[in-house]
Amino acid sequence: EVQLLESGGGLVQPGGSLRLSCAASGFTFSSYAMSWVRQAPGKGLDWVSGISASGVNTYYADSVKGRFTIFRDKSKNTLYLEMNNLRAEDTAVYYCAKDRLIAATATVELDYWGQGTLVTVSS
Amino acid sequence: SYDLTQPLSVSVSPGQTASITCSGHKLGDKYVCWYQQKPGQSPVLVIYEDNKRPSGIPERFSGSNSGNTATLTISGTQPMDEADYYCQAWDSGTVVFGGGTKLTVL
Repeated sequence: EVQLLESGGGLVQPGGSLRLSCAASGFTFSSYAMSWVRQAPGKGLDWVSGISASGVNTYYADSVKGRFTIFRDKSKNTLYLEMNNLRAEDTAVYYCAKDRLIAATATVELDYWGQGTLVTVSS
Repeated sequence: SYDLTQPLSVSVSPGQTASITCSGHKLGDKYVCWYQQKPGQSPVLVIYEDNKRPSGIPERFSGSNSGNTATLTISGTQPMDEADYYCQAWDSGTVVFGGGTKLTVL
């Protein structure tokens, strides 16, 4: 059974930093592209960042480019999102999600999602 | 940046057919997928590659994509189908979601 378990969310001040983690199990983690998708309270889905199965290729939404870094550790079956210079508009539930296709260089479709972790940016 | 436009809301009576549209420039040239999200839950993939259903998704869910518009169709809509629905496409490594449509079954 595929499981994605996010952690690391919390309350942080504007300008602060946070690292999110997503522990994956139930599939060959190193064979699938992964993404982070966020959802602000009462709002729609907003793709944040993606990483290829190999970890070589990374992609970012314009709104987070230069502030967020996605990376993965295949030895720990874990996906990460390093978030710096956080802003109030980054407040959201952050979901980790797995791509449907094996060995993809980028996200195509997301077939499994975690339960999400809440990030609140406020003073 | 690429934009996908969905209606804010769609209403349907139980047992009837619901259609939710997703519009974007030359969207028919891309693959579109659809997610269902119920309150307090994570999204669930219900259609991928325009018209394919993942295992476990009921046959009443179908999709199409042509020209500038993709459509999610739910035949014989059930009360349990009441949810938010999001279309999604991808291009050059980036992913785009539509704004979401709230489907009300009443």
